Parts: sequence; structure tokens; C-alpha cells
Amino acid sequence: SAVISQKPSRDICQRGTSLTIQCQVDSQVTMMFWYRQQPGQSLTLIATANQGSEATYESGFVIDKFPISRPNLTFSTLTVSNMSPEDSSIYLCSVDPTHSNEQFFGPGTRLTVL
Amino acid sequence: GENVEQHPSTLSVQEGDSAVIKCTYSDSASNYFPWYKQELGKRPQLIIDIRSNVGEKKDQRIAVTLNKTAKHFSLHITETQPEDSAVYFCAAISPGGGNKLTFGTGTQLKVEL
Repeated sequence: SAVISQKPSRDICQRGTSLTIQCQVDSQVTMMFWYRQQPGQSLTLIATANQGSEATYESGFVIDKFPISRPNLTFSTLTVSNMSPEDSSIYLCSVDPTHSNEQFFGPGTRLTVL
Repeated sequence: GENVEQHPSTLSVQEGDSAVIKCTYSDSASNYFPWYKQELGKRPQLIIDIRSNVGEKKDQRIAVTLNKTAKHFSLHITETQPEDSAVYFCAAISPGGGNKLTFGTGTQLKVEL
């Protein structure tokens, strides 16, 4: 597995503002994934972040709303832009450190938008 | 794209009994099927997985079976304990999907004393 950390662990934000979530891994990984987990729901993939290329977004998620950076092989950020209460969720990053499809998750960022 | 259905949504068992959670998938090319356990307020934790070239896999009290013909796979937990209480998610990866996980809707398992 890998040691994955996220910052912040939680935040309460006002509508219309933006929040950047950081994901740090203790080893170099090719792909990093960003998921959203709405309260009491399953996990939905937002985008796949590859180092050196544009992130690949899933249907229903757009770059203007969820811009992603991937400056190196151990770090990525997800920004939730122009937030509304509907963005209140847990946001998790995950990695596949051994290229075996086994994905391991970070601890998540619990976002509440007022 | 891949679609994964999971049943039941809630499951209550007595301590020591077995629990079975079932998932079906839509893409016959899917080749990797993990199971995650998520305790309240915690991250999803990979507990077992199975690949399409295997029909069954066991790890102590947990096992997963895969029926490729029927496109379904199941999680079996034997001798359940209170610490098994959590939400369990199945997932699938299809080769054409860029290694992305498609999750089932989750099963809330409660093990009662």
C-alpha cells in the first residue's frame, strides 16, 4: 500500500468561495484519482490526474468547477470552485501504487458549504 | 460504461452468523473486483479483491466469489463479529475504463450481539 495524506481534513466554507484540497503520497505514483462521497452515498469518481497531462474528467464533472493540478508524481490538488451547499461532501484521493488496480484511499476531506 | 448494482442495502446479522453481500456488473470485459470496508468517519479500506481469472478467493473469515457468466460477485463473511459492522462497497474495473473504479451503492452491515 501507500501512505496517503490529505489537507485539510475538514472545512466549513461559505457559498461562492473556493477550496483547494491537497493529496500527498509517500511514493511516486502514475495515476491519482479524485472521488466524491456525498452524505450516506457511494463513491463517485470526479477525475483521474496524471502527471504531465490534463486530468480526465468523468461525465458530470467539469474542469471549471473542479480544477486539478498534478505537479509531480507524489502530489495533487483538487479545487472545488464557486461552492454551493450541494458541494458538501467528502472528497477523497486514491492511488494505485503498484499498477495492479489495487487502489488505496486517503483519509478524505469533509467539506461543508453554508 | 460500467454499472455495478449491490444488494442488500442493509443487512443485520447475529454475531457468529454469516453475511453475504452480492453485486452484479454490466461490462463483461471487467476484470478486477475489489471490496472496500468503510467504518463511520473513516476512509474506505480494501479488504479483499478478485480478478477475472479466479473463481474464489479467501482470506481468513472473508471470501469473494466471482461468476463471470452471470456477471456477479459476492462477499462472504463468516463468524461475524461486532467489529465487522461497517458499510461495504463492491467495485469493478473494466479494461477500457482507464483503471477507474465503479462502485456499488454500498451495504450497511450491522452485527448484533
